Formats: sequence, structure tokens, C-alpha cells
Amino acid sequence: QKEVEQDPGPLSVPEGAIVSLNCTYSNSAFQYFMWYRQYSRKGPELLMYTYSSGNKEDGRFTAQVDKSSKYISLFIRDSQPSDSATYLCAFPSTDSWGKLQFGAGTQVVVTP
Amino acid sequence: KAGVTQTPRYLIKTRGQQVTLSCSPISGHRSVSWYQQTPGQGLQFLFEYFSETQRNKGNFPGRFSGRQFSNSRSEMNVSTLELGDSALYLCASSLVQGSRTEAFFGQGTRLTVV
Repeated sequence: QKEVEQDPGPLSVPEGAIVSLNCTYSNSAFQYFMWYRQYSRKGPELLMYTYSSGNKEDGRFTAQVDKSSKYISLFIRDSQPSDSATYLCAFPSTDSWGKLQFGAGTQVVVTP
Repeated sequence: KAGVTQTPRYLIKTRGQQVTLSCSPISGHRSVSWYQQTPGQGLQFLFEYFSETQRNKGNFPGRFSGRQFSNSRSEMNVSTLELGDSALYLCASSLVQGSRTEAFFGQGTRLTVV
């Protein structure tokens, strides 16, 4: 079993809809979680991070954590065509600061 | 503040050749990590350097190596290239912020092996 599972999609939604993304993880030692956004032919950019103890909202983006189910979610409200990208969940390694474990990434397509 | 710079952006090499990729981290960041991204395997960790020392290494063959210089700039080298090495190679520079690490990625180097 992989430590991080993420549905690769693609997930196609109409403009204005809510996008719901999620990842499951198996290592209960993870202290915080991150979401990265990657546009085609670009490097990933850090979108949000959240600690294992709570949720976080930033503009149209909300990150949620369910520790008991080992499940994290990212919601995008009022989705725009510019939100079309691949979204990756990322977890910090427990043995090295600079090492991250990534989910497979979910490709999101927002159609006008 | 300048971001992470990777050079070159694109490379085409022949099987059996070797290649060197370069990464300049964000000023003040001492940790540099390298990742390989392919459609089939996603983002996979290659290695991490901190203050010129390799701190962690992923599950890749010895053909993949790297180093970090005193100014934190890093290079990775792949020798005896194989077709399967075709990928986007990403460099991330990291900063510890309290109890978490924030990693910032460069644009990547797209390597094609023919």
C-alpha cells in the first residue's frame, strides 16, 4: 500500500462549481499537510498547508484534515478556468526536512 | 526575491551519454532537493542536500548523483542515460518555518533521452 493515495482524475467541472479534491495517507506521524498546484510545463507551487489539527481557509480555497480517517481535502469555490491545473497533496518526511512525499496529482479542468 | 532557477530548461540527449543539471535556490535557503516527475510514477524524491552534505537519498540507481556547493547551488548528474530517464527534473529549495518546511520549486528541466 502506498503511503499517499490520490485519484489522478481528470476531474472536469463547469465554471463556478465547487471542486473537491482529496488524498488518503497511511502514516499517522505526519504533522502537517500541503497542497501544491502545477500548471502544464511548470514546477509545482505551494498553494496551502494545514496542520493535522485543523482546517484552513484562504480566499476561494479551503483545506480540511480528518485525522481519524487519515484523509485530507482541498475545496475550490467558484472555480475559474484559470484553476485548471494538476493539484498534488504533499506530506513531509519524518526523517528529513527537505523530503516530501507526493500524491499522484489530480488533473482539474474547469470549463467556461 | 528571485525564485528557484533551473538550467537548462530543455535537454535532448542520446542513450549512454551523461547529463548535468543545475539549480540555484532562493537566497538564504540551505536545503536543496531534487525530484523526478514522470507520467507513470509521479513526483519521486531523488536526494536532498543541506550545507553541502547529502542528507537523504531516494530509491534511484547510483547513476544518479548530485552535489551542493558552498553558495547552496546544486547540480545533479545522470550517467549512462537510459530511455526511462526521460522526465521532468525538479529542484526545490526549502526553508524551515517554525515546525514546518516550505519547499519552493523551480520550473524544472525537461530531459528527453533518445
